[in-house]
Amino acid sequence: AQSVAQPEDQVNVAEGNPLTVKCTYSVSGNPYLFWYVQYPNRGLQFLLKYITGDNLVKGSYGFEAEFNKSQTSFHLKKPSALVSDSALYFCAVRDLTIYNQGGKLIFGQGTELSVKP
Amino acid sequence: ETGVTQTPRHLVMGMTNKKSLKCEQHLGHNAMYWYKQSAKKPLELMFVYSLEERVENNSVPSRFSPECPNSSHLFLHLHTLQPEDSALYLCASSQDGTGELFFGEGSRLTVL
Repeated sequence: AQSVAQPEDQVNVAEGNPLTVKCTYSVSGNPYLFWYVQYPNRGLQFLLKYITGDNLVKGSYGFEAEFNKSQTSFHLKKPSALVSDSALYFCAVRDLTIYNQGGKLIFGQGTELSVKP
Repeated sequence: ETGVTQTPRHLVMGMTNKKSLKCEQHLGHNAMYWYKQSAKKPLELMFVYSLEERVENNSVPSRFSPECPNSSHLFLHLHTLQPEDSALYLCASSQDGTGELFFGEGSRLTVL
């Protein structure tokens, strides 16, 4: 079965420092991986995705993620954190076991990122 | 603005009420989804519609009844809910081949 895990419930970073939010996955076949961000009382916003190609994927708001097949990881990174990056971050994998148009995403439990001034 | 609009944004209802949540997407997508987000729990997929046909129902209680009259609209009809059904209900849409979901802002439901 397809699954993702986010080992940290919370990540605390000082503004200006680099940040990493961890994600590991378990899939059969090639993974389709995603990161989403959720601000308080809002829906989820797409940040970036990995389908194929370059292992370093660049996304919105200066975020990037590195796909590592040997470690089955897809960690989210940003070189310099902003206070406004404080939010809930979700990693997700597309479930390829279900054949339907659009597919479905399986989400991790989320990581709360807190960036302090 | 994500192109997916949910109404109402907030809803308070008693256990004997009947209400509906509405979702509309303006993106031309052909798949729509209902997710439930409870505090301290992962996002739970409830229903998937592809080309207006329900393709997945994740063992959701019958007090939740989805309806997809066309590819742009999705409803979640609510009847005799329980307090533990209080949550944020998120609608999403996607176009086949990308797997990328576009979410609405959610409907915050409180069941008294």
